[in-house]
Amino acid sequence: ETGVTQTPRHLVMGMTNKKSLKCEQHLGHNAMYWYKQSAKKPLELMFVYNFKEQTENNSVPSRFSPECPNSSHLFLHLHTLQPEDSALYLCASSQLLRGRGTEAFFGQGTRLTVV
Amino acid sequence: SQQGEEDPQALSIQEGENATMNCSYKTSINNLQWYRQNSGRGLVHLILIRSNEREKHSGRLRVTLDTSKKSSSLLITASRAADTASYFCATDEGETSGSRLTFGEGTQLTVNP
Repeated sequence: ETGVTQTPRHLVMGMTNKKSLKCEQHLGHNAMYWYKQSAKKPLELMFVYNFKEQTENNSVPSRFSPECPNSSHLFLHLHTLQPEDSALYLCASSQLLRGRGTEAFFGQGTRLTVV
Repeated sequence: SQQGEEDPQALSIQEGENATMNCSYKTSINNLQWYRQNSGRGLVHLILIRSNEREKHSGRLRVTLDTSKKSSSLLITASRAADTASYFCATDEGETSGSRLTFGEGTQLTVNP
């Protein structure tokens, strides 16, 4: 257990469905992230939240909509996805220290299949 | 090519042997990190080495960093079957707006019993 919990672990959805992925961190961190891991591709950073404020949207299509209601919870709302969006979605958290990078703690991921 | 590019893509060794994985990157970094991932699961942080450090150890792991060559290596000594996993390097430019890690494609390590 890394202290970052993602639910659900597996999700199958149709292209017209709306679903949400949830991430919760119990580490007291002030930054949270969504990454996408597709087969045979490096992990791609999707969104960054620092102190609940979104600081980065890495050219992610609008069918992915993040929400960070507080520093412990992060959601990824999904709607009208495409089959190529099928991937492992990973949430991570870290503690921001000014000018000094720190390690990220990852959840176990949600395996998403779009049919 | 990608920032944080690992070499080799796949490595198969016998238990007890050492495994060495390399990583190259392109931009200036604040730190470089190595992660491990078991099949289909989340990533686990192994070691973070800062740009002003040259070598770091953690148990059976040894990481080196050469900023002049923009490269890093991960050495796992006395490997075990349980070390079988994918290993990723990730570079962090360390901007204050967040640790935005850029990952390579990883090295798939198989340790045969």
